[in-house]
Amino acid sequence: IAGITQAPTSQILAAGRRMTLRCTQDMRHNAMYWYRQDLGLGLRLIHYSNTAGTTGKGEVPDGYSVSRANTDDFPLTLASAVPSQTSVYFCASSEDRGLGELFFGEGSRLTVL
Amino acid sequence: AQKITQTQPGMFVQEKEAVTLDCTYDTSDPSYGLFWYKQPSSGEMIFLIYQGSYDQQNATEGRYSLNFQKARKSANLVISASQLGDSAMYFCAMRAPEVQSDYKLSFGAGTTVTVRA
Repeated sequence: IAGITQAPTSQILAAGRRMTLRCTQDMRHNAMYWYRQDLGLGLRLIHYSNTAGTTGKGEVPDGYSVSRANTDDFPLTLASAVPSQTSVYFCASSEDRGLGELFFGEGSRLTVL
Repeated sequence: AQKITQTQPGMFVQEKEAVTLDCTYDTSDPSYGLFWYKQPSSGEMIFLIYQGSYDQQNATEGRYSLNFQKARKSANLVISASQLGDSAMYFCAMRAPEVQSDYKLSFGAGTTVTVRA
């Protein structure tokens, strides 16, 4: 089934540790995104990539980094996790034409202690 | 800066009744798109409906319709004949591209809908 796969689905992490959330899509979409979801704040964009080889900062990029070496993969790295990064993280992708609606992964729940 | 406002944190609706979810937006770009997504308790994000800023008619998709009032910058979602399965969080989102290749969305805080039997 075509779609977006995120891993891990859930993780508990000690503060100060490095963590990479993986995201892979098989829809050949050019654009990919990382959002975090927090109660009362909705979804906030962390980083995005309009095409392989390019990335951009979203609304809340501090403490996160991304790379886009190819079309399919868009990993999100927390270099040194802090408790405020406890959240649910969603990876998404979209076509760069038509409606361009976002297709989402199932989310990764991260708890930083 | 783009901004989406959803002023209703939570709503209750009786089964088979209609419910309207409010969404206002702010952008200076004349070309933009408005989206609604549903997030059930299982957590996945489901695309429901889209309205383009130049669309002449309000969008409809089955029991979902969008009450688009451009002058008021509002894009309210109407769910008709509510079902128990409609209980979920609903997000309004907007795309107002800074450049043509920009497809990222800005989301509101969401509204939780609970349908009562």
